[in-house]
Amino acid sequence: EPEVTQTPSHQVTQMGQEVILRCVPISNHLYFYWYRQILGQKVEFLVSFYNNEISEKSEIFDDQFSVERPDGSNFTLKIRSTKLEDSAMYFCASNLDREGEKLFFGSGTQLSVL
Amino acid sequence: GDSVTQMEGPVTLSEEAFLTINCTYTATGYPSLFWYVQYPGEGLQLLLKATKADDKGSNKGFEATYRKETTSFHLEKGSVQVSDSAVYFCALVSYNTDKLIFGTGTRLQVFP
Repeated sequence: EPEVTQTPSHQVTQMGQEVILRCVPISNHLYFYWYRQILGQKVEFLVSFYNNEISEKSEIFDDQFSVERPDGSNFTLKIRSTKLEDSAMYFCASNLDREGEKLFFGSGTQLSVL
Repeated sequence: GDSVTQMEGPVTLSEEAFLTINCTYTATGYPSLFWYVQYPGEGLQLLLKATKADDKGSNKGFEATYRKETTSFHLEKGSVQVSDSAVYFCALVSYNTDKLIFGTGTRLQVFP
């Protein structure tokens, strides 16, 4: 079965450092997403991306965050200057269309900001 | 705004016990409702869905019915197995969007 791959599975960084979380979506998918879950809290939508541009973003997704699809296969989330409160599990997802039931998630990257 | 509320876990059961995980939602209009499952070390997987009132989603012995009158989508299974141990997330998608809104997740632990 096709799968969404995220690397690394666990990232530790110092506050103020830049981090890039990487995702390889399913190859023929067109819609891409990032979600995150702070420990003990809800899984929250961050951003959706289609046709090489952001289609929707949440209020969490401020100027410190950016997304990119640099080479047609990877989909990255960059946090420019990490804060302690950015510590969370980050999930990438991809979809062939906008139907929610066809969404595939990766296994997540656990980001720990010290 | 739209939201999902799930019962807190962990839920601890013996094998073959009956499972209920409660989920209620708040939404304008008529959302689609989902249950996702996350097994240890894996991503979120769609377990079942329902797109309109009174629909029943089912998969792998799990069921949930879209109850508009009580704004609920409770997950049930008649006889759980150890392999069902996972975290279960209730979620919705509102009309004209593809953004999932999740609950906090409920950890299920099934012991032999």
